[in-house]
Amino acid sequence: EADIYQTPRYLVIGTGKKITLECSQTMGHDKMYWYQQDPGMELHLIHYSYGVNSTEKGDLSSESTVSRIRTEHFPLTLESARPSHTSQYLCASTGTSGTDTQYFGPGTRLTVL
Amino acid sequence: GNSVTQMEGPVTLSEEAFLTINCTYTATGYPSLFWYVQYPGEGLQLLLKATKADDKGSNKGFEATYRKETTSFHLEKGSVQVSDSAVYFCARRNSGNTPLVFGKGTRLSVIA
Repeated sequence: EADIYQTPRYLVIGTGKKITLECSQTMGHDKMYWYQQDPGMELHLIHYSYGVNSTEKGDLSSESTVSRIRTEHFPLTLESARPSHTSQYLCASTGTSGTDTQYFGPGTRLTVL
Repeated sequence: GNSVTQMEGPVTLSEEAFLTINCTYTATGYPSLFWYVQYPGEGLQLLLKATKADDKGSNKGFEATYRKETTSFHLEKGSVQVSDSAVYFCARRNSGNTPLVFGKGTRLSVIA
């Protein structure tokens, strides 16, 4: 079983609020990822990190930001939420080898009213 | 470019039917290949993987063989169960320094 956690699992907030989605893993993985999953199921990589103080933007442009101050923690922040941010957000981590399994958290379902 | 193409769903099968979900990839070199499964309300979890040509990954009755000549990694199961209803994602990774690339997912519904 994967040791990767996301909180909250569900969040309903109003437009304009600042929110932070938490992601933590206890596997010592250097590589961590954030995906946005649309209702059609497709996964879009929005941010990733290959270690402390390293962050990169993914394939899908996102208004969110991320930070990586500690190996185990990779939070995602929206400064001003909008209805277009309503989605499922999945965090993942993996080891250093290309053959390593990527582990996913349970996801945060965000609804912005 | 580097991409993963999997058959579009939804796929609806009766219990005990044979399942095939096609997946093909384009990539340079020799990528590692994965199948992930997502049950309702959950994150993705690894179903099986293969890291070199002709490898066969298997788990829970599912199998997939890494076919370099056809650049394919089709998922099969001989007899599906209602509990197999989920979304299945094919993915590939070129190396440890590149993110996984996922297909668009295939929803499977198994009816009793």
